[in-house]
Amino acid sequence: GAGVSQSPSNKVTEKGKDVELRCDPISGHTALYWYRQSLGQGLEFLIYFQGNSAPDKSGLPSDRFSAERTGGSVSTLTIQRTQQEDSAVYLCASSLVGPSPFSNQPQHFGDGTRLSIL
Amino acid sequence: KNEVEQSPQNLTAQEGEFITINCSYSVGISALHWLQQHPGGGIVSLFMLSSGKKKHGRLIATINIQEKHSSLHITASHPRDSAVYICAVGRSQFYFGTGTSLTVIP
Repeated sequence: GAGVSQSPSNKVTEKGKDVELRCDPISGHTALYWYRQSLGQGLEFLIYFQGNSAPDKSGLPSDRFSAERTGGSVSTLTIQRTQQEDSAVYLCASSLVGPSPFSNQPQHFGDGTRLSIL
Repeated sequence: KNEVEQSPQNLTAQEGEFITINCSYSVGISALHWLQQHPGGGIVSLFMLSSGKKKHGRLIATINIQEKHSSLHITASHPRDSAVYICAVGRSQFYFGTGTSLTVIP
């Protein structure tokens, strides 16, 4: 598969549990992005990686959220002590790197992970 | 105040009509993106603009940097164009409009 792959596609968990979401970008794409889309709401930027580093983490909603990327490829988004307001579709995208993170390279989106917190 | 404003929020058109979706933004940007989200949820990048105009098939996107405004036009609309169209702008962060839900009726 040549596209961005996310897993799991669906995750249901109890409030208070930790969850880990995975994103496997397109091979060769050095930029990787995480977004969130809550039910009936627009897209929200969370974090982006340039290689393995994330220059700006200010988009993460709280300190329960963390993300890492190793080897310049796969990224994981971890949510600790999940709350009901964390329920959303979490989307990952990747792109070739441009002169700035959101410049002139198209982003390729995965199908998302639908997270439901009971 | 939202950094990105889109209009209209909802749009219903008859097949064949010319459609315009507008996007205004208030932040400095490196580029503006138009995205398409189909009912199944998948998102596709349609255009990236930093100046001028781009055309892809029946879709045309324009941007006026001085006025901080972009438009997405669909010529000869078709029911398969029914989707949510999202404007996004960014430099060091990425800001999204709330989307325009387009329904094209046969």
